[in-house]
Amino acid sequence: ETGVTQTPRHLVMGMTNKKSLKCEQHLGHNAMYWYKQSAKKPLELMFVYNFKEQTENNSVPSRFSPECPNSSHLFLHLHTLQPEDSALYLCASSQELGLATGELFFGEGSRLTVL
Amino acid sequence: GQQVMQIPQYQHVQEGEDFTTYCNSSTTLSNIQWYKQRPGGHPVFLIQLVKSGEVKKQKRLTFQFGEAKKNSSLHITATQTTDVGTYFCAGPILSGTYKYIFGTGTRLKVLA
Repeated sequence: ETGVTQTPRHLVMGMTNKKSLKCEQHLGHNAMYWYKQSAKKPLELMFVYNFKEQTENNSVPSRFSPECPNSSHLFLHLHTLQPEDSALYLCASSQELGLATGELFFGEGSRLTVL
Repeated sequence: GQQVMQIPQYQHVQEGEDFTTYCNSSTTLSNIQWYKQRPGGHPVFLIQLVKSGEVKKQKRLTFQFGEAKKNSSLHITATQTTDVGTYFCAGPILSGTYKYIFGTGTRLKVLA
């Protein structure tokens, strides 16, 4: 139990489907992140939110749409994905603001397969 | 853009042997963190180094931060099968954002 919960743990979707990944943190943190981890690439930062405000969009395609309704919840809305989007999507949170000196707490990830 | 590279990419060792992974950043890091990801698991924080030249130890693990704050290393003494996993370094860029750049990772396999 990391204090960061992700659902679903596994998701299979077609290219025309619309689905969402959910992340919830119980640590009282103010910053939340989405990372993508695929077999051939290191952890890729996708989005960063601080106090519900998006502070970073790392050139992510618009078929990925994040939403952060409050500091404890983070969503990643998925639509018209491509097979190459199949990966492990990791949510993380951290406490520190400013230059981000706090450790990241990761959820267990959502394994996405796009057919 | 900023890159963080790790070497080696893979390392197989016999149980009891030592292991070292090296992390090199293309830019200066304000601090560096190390994470471990077990097979099928998620990254778990190990340690953070902040000061130039800093050395920290956790039991059999020794972490170093380079004098120029652009490189770091993780050394494991007398590896055990429980050390299996991928080790990542990560550092925030100095842009004032919350952007952690992760290294490419070193996958360690320990043979019993």
